Amino acid sequence: GAGVSQSPSNKVTEKGKDVELRCDPISGHTALYWYRQSLGQGLEFLIYFQGNSAPDKSGLPSDRFSAERTGGSVSTLTIQRTQQEDSAVYLCASSLGRQLPPHTFGSGTRLTVV
Amino acid sequence: TQLLEQSPQFLSIQEGENLTVYCNSSSVFSSLQWYRQEPGEGPVLLVTVVTGGEVKKLKRLTFQFGDARKDSSLHITAAQPGDTGLYLCAGVRTGTASKLTFGTGTRLQVTL
Repeated sequence: GAGVSQSPSNKVTEKGKDVELRCDPISGHTALYWYRQSLGQGLEFLIYFQGNSAPDKSGLPSDRFSAERTGGSVSTLTIQRTQQEDSAVYLCASSLGRQLPPHTFGSGTRLTVV
Repeated sequence: TQLLEQSPQFLSIQEGENLTVYCNSSSVFSSLQWYRQEPGEGPVLLVTVVTGGEVKKLKRLTFQFGDARKDSSLHITAAQPGDTGLYLCAGVRTGTASKLTFGTGTRLQVTL
């Protein structure tokens, strides 16, 4: 597609439920990144994919968080047993290669855990 | 610990004024980028600087990368209401090509 597409744009979930966030990167972009943006914390790196593999997942905050990428394209970020502190905007970005961003960001998924 | 500190955090100015936003770190970055983010949207890249001492101009915006590649500044001349937004610096730390480290952000409001 023309840009990075994320869905849903907004998600409200009950504490303890699992959620899946989807990212569809720009066609041909081999690198895909997930970031989290929350009040007072700024933008934090979560995980980086090159193709279908994740050479850097150092930013995932706990084992409740996981992500996968299939076909070198769509990626899904899954949060299990959501907690209130997981409330944030989850941003996906893609770039042509691993050497140097720039990143093209999607509009994000605003997750609210109640 | 925030690796990239931006100042000021908030800035409210009138149309036509000049301003400078600073991005500082004790770490060396192989490159540094500036993004602008508007409500409900993802950050949009403004510029990438790679060489220490580099200066880039984008219309009324001037970006500078420090000689030691530890800091950067963004200067806006004659600000306009359309410049309103959240400005973020982001760096690629030397040896970590996989991810961006973002600054704390500067929220700019330009009023008529």
